[in-house]
Amino acid sequence: NAGVTQTPKFRVLKTGQSMTLLCAQDMNHEYMYWYRQDPGMGLRLIHYSVGEGTTAKGEVPDGYNVSRLKKQNFLLGLESAAPSQTSVYFCASSYGGIGTDTQYFGPGTRLTVL
Amino acid sequence: GEDVEQSLFLSVREGDSSVINCTYTDSSSTYLYWYKQEPGAGLQLLTYIFSNMDMKQDQRLTVLLNKKDKHLSLRIADTQTGDSAIYFCAEKPNGGATNKLIFGTGTLLAVQP
Repeated sequence: NAGVTQTPKFRVLKTGQSMTLLCAQDMNHEYMYWYRQDPGMGLRLIHYSVGEGTTAKGEVPDGYNVSRLKKQNFLLGLESAAPSQTSVYFCASSYGGIGTDTQYFGPGTRLTVL
Repeated sequence: GEDVEQSLFLSVREGDSSVINCTYTDSSSTYLYWYKQEPGAGLQLLTYIFSNMDMKQDQRLTVLLNKKDKHLSLRIADTQTGDSAIYFCAEKPNGGATNKLIFGTGTLLAVQP
């Protein structure tokens, strides 16, 4: 049981390049989330999904797109990377029911945009 | 509005108790969480408390909740060097279908041997 995995672990992009970050979970969770972590700002929600085929905007969605074609995968895309998108990106998943609904996090992807 | 605040840094000596504080603004929050992030790793859930509780104890961890003041604290007894990490508090506002969490800025705990 791998939990939540993210690929790649590190990436350096030039301004204007595009890339896709992949998140996979093997816990049969309904909900999945993408966060970015910046110094002194905690984690901010970019986009989330409450089920296969659904996506919704979070707190800071501009410049990102997402897709949830399969229940176990949640992709985060940057169409035209900007230096302001330099950050550590975390994916998380949760069961989605009422109650505590603990979110389980991946190890993160460190992205640098030059 | 939704905002969760924490102090940025705490330094303690090994064996002492650590107290990490958090304030939140959404009184509708049903659950409040403490997550731990070790260097280069993702966040790991440490503990949580339901909003109708005042205190929860789990081995070396004690969570205190003052709902009137919207204040949450995490006490770590007998702090060890392995406890050095960033600690995030998070609230889960009531309502909506997202179960989204609002995270604080994180407190870096440095444990001196």
